Amino acid sequence: DTEVTQTPKHLVMGMTNKKSLKCEQHMGHRAMYWYKQKAKKPPELMFVYSYEKLSINESVPSRFSPECPNSSLLNLHLHALQPEDSALYLCASSGSTDTQYFGPGTRLTVL
Amino acid sequence: GENVEQHPSTLSVQEGDSAVIKCTYSDSASNYFPWYKQELGKRPQLIIDIRSNVGEKKDQRIAVTLNKTAKHFSLHITETQPEDSAVYFCAASSRGGADGLTFGKGTHLIIQP
Repeated sequence: DTEVTQTPKHLVMGMTNKKSLKCEQHMGHRAMYWYKQKAKKPPELMFVYSYEKLSINESVPSRFSPECPNSSLLNLHLHALQPEDSALYLCASSGSTDTQYFGPGTRLTVL
Repeated sequence: GENVEQHPSTLSVQEGDSAVIKCTYSDSASNYFPWYKQELGKRPQLIIDIRSNVGEKKDQRIAVTLNKTAKHFSLHITETQPEDSAVYFCAASSRGGADGLTFGKGTHLIIQP
């Protein structure tokens, strides 16, 4: 398996909802990342996990809570989001070559 | 932190001509420079990358050059084809990418038939 997968593809949630985004890779990669991409903008780094430990948090609001249950899975828990949080959320992973491979993303809409 | 500038924001070329996209970075510790292609509604896909110990890298119609002294790197696409139309992002990172990537604002490449 040479791909990063993400579920769900689309998510619509209200500002009081709690939801989770999931990311999975079976390439044995040691690092996993969350990026946020608004329309017509570049991806912006949110979090970096290295060997299942959070190594970088780019000052992301606490309504976004990452979790890495094991080396293949990365979750992003969402709570009390704002409409401006609507975006494409991209997961990526990298192995020994450091090349980052992106998943297809979850398109999130916050009402 | 790292800051990556990318130019131009839009580039229109005739099919068969060459396209050049340029980026500059600010952090002299950056040592990894990938280029991604993103089609509408799709994920960013790596097309080529270069590390700071190399000045140039080529893969068929695509080449990347790096000038560490000037802190700039460029993407060159030759013999452009309609399927090259997309948004292209340059990026930079230290520690070979382990710190995450800082992206340029992107270049919308349009190939005119």
